[in-house]
Amino acid sequence: NAGVTQTPKFQVLKTGQSMTLQCAQDMNHEYMSWYRQDPGMGLRLIHYSVGAGITDQGEVPNGYNVSRSTTEDFPLRLLSAAPSQTSVYFCASSTSGFHQPQHFGDGTRLSIL
Amino acid sequence: DAKTTQPTSMDCAEGRAANLPCNHSTISGNEYVYWYRQIHSQGPQYIIHGLKNNETNEMASLIITEDRKSSTLILPHATLRDTAVYYCIVRGGSSNTGKLIFGQGTTLQVKP
Repeated sequence: NAGVTQTPKFQVLKTGQSMTLQCAQDMNHEYMSWYRQDPGMGLRLIHYSVGAGITDQGEVPNGYNVSRSTTEDFPLRLLSAAPSQTSVYFCASSTSGFHQPQHFGDGTRLSIL
Repeated sequence: DAKTTQPTSMDCAEGRAANLPCNHSTISGNEYVYWYRQIHSQGPQYIIHGLKNNETNEMASLIITEDRKSSTLILPHATLRDTAVYYCIVRGGSSNTGKLIFGQGTTLQVKP
């Protein structure tokens, strides 16, 4: 049981490049979310999904796209990377019941030059 | 979801109880208090949550005041491995989404 798996762990991009951050969970969780964390700050919600085929925006969605074609996967796409998107990205999942704890991946550290 | 206020940082001696306060004076009746922690930039880890009754699990205890405007997370015997950023989060009880709104958290330093 791997939990929440994020790939890659590290990535360096040039401004304007595109990239997809992968997130997969093997716990059959309905809910999945993407957060970003900038130095010295708490996590901020980017996008979330309550099930396959359903996504919605969080606090800071601009510059990011998501889709949820399967229960297991929730990729985050940067269409045209900008230096302001340099951050650590965390994916999380949970079951649909009220007050179920969220399980987080180990993060992807992304630098955009 | 209600906003929370936490001290920026706290110290605790190893082996002693760590008491982390959280103010959530605008909490509404159906909102729960959650605690997560983040150790050295790893992904956050769930600790405990509660509505109005005190809660205890293998990791910690959660004490919520009777008016529910504040709460305290208690780590009964802090170890060096408990050094982390602790986040207090208030979330609606009727929410059917998994989203959490994180604040700045409290950096707890456990010292030998």
